[in-house]
Amino acid sequence: SQTIHQWPATLVQPVGSPLSLECTVEGTSNPNLYWYRQAAGRGLQLLFYSVGIGQISSEVPQNLSASRPQDRQFILSSKKLLLSDSGFYLCAWSDRTGGLETQYFGPGTRLLVL
Amino acid sequence: QKEVEQNSGPLSVPEGAIASLNCTYSDRGSQSFFWYRQYSGKSPELIMFIYSNGDKEDGRFTAQLNKASQYVSLLIRDSQPSDSATYLCAVNERGRRALTFGSGTRLQVQP
Repeated sequence: SQTIHQWPATLVQPVGSPLSLECTVEGTSNPNLYWYRQAAGRGLQLLFYSVGIGQISSEVPQNLSASRPQDRQFILSSKKLLLSDSGFYLCAWSDRTGGLETQYFGPGTRLLVL
Repeated sequence: QKEVEQNSGPLSVPEGAIASLNCTYSDRGSQSFFWYRQYSGKSPELIMFIYSNGDKEDGRFTAQLNKASQYVSLLIRDSQPSDSATYLCAVNERGRRALTFGSGTRLQVQP
């Protein structure tokens, strides 16, 4: 069966510091991968998605970037964090079985920028 | 940006009652629809999906889709306190790989 991992689970970082969040998927190959952010009490905002190694699409202009160095690895980065980057970061993968894009979420990383 | 709208709630129902959660979407070309449950502090988990007009049942859950009215709902029968969570509606819009999520409805099931 497929599993998705994210780390770290929680992170407290000062403003202006760099960020690297990692997501890995097991049990599937060539998945679509996604990064979402959920601010407190808000819905999910899509940040990036990837359909393959090195292929990244950005949904919202911001100081974040994403990379996919391996088929089942997706990394979210920032060179300098802002206060507004605080939130719950969720990685998801999608299964294209039967032409239906069904997304499954990892456990998430809770980021607090101080 | 296409929209998915949900009443934020909270929707409060007594234990054993039917909870009805509603969602409307703006993109008429949307093709598939998903319901996720999110407990406080946790990530969303998929409950069920639907892509044809009508009802789809899975245990205590029934998803209903009306594409003409651009409306999708989730019914939870015999609601339990453990169903207390935020329910997110998500839509796969035509031509878009990612899902568009509503902001969620908070459900409270009172013992």
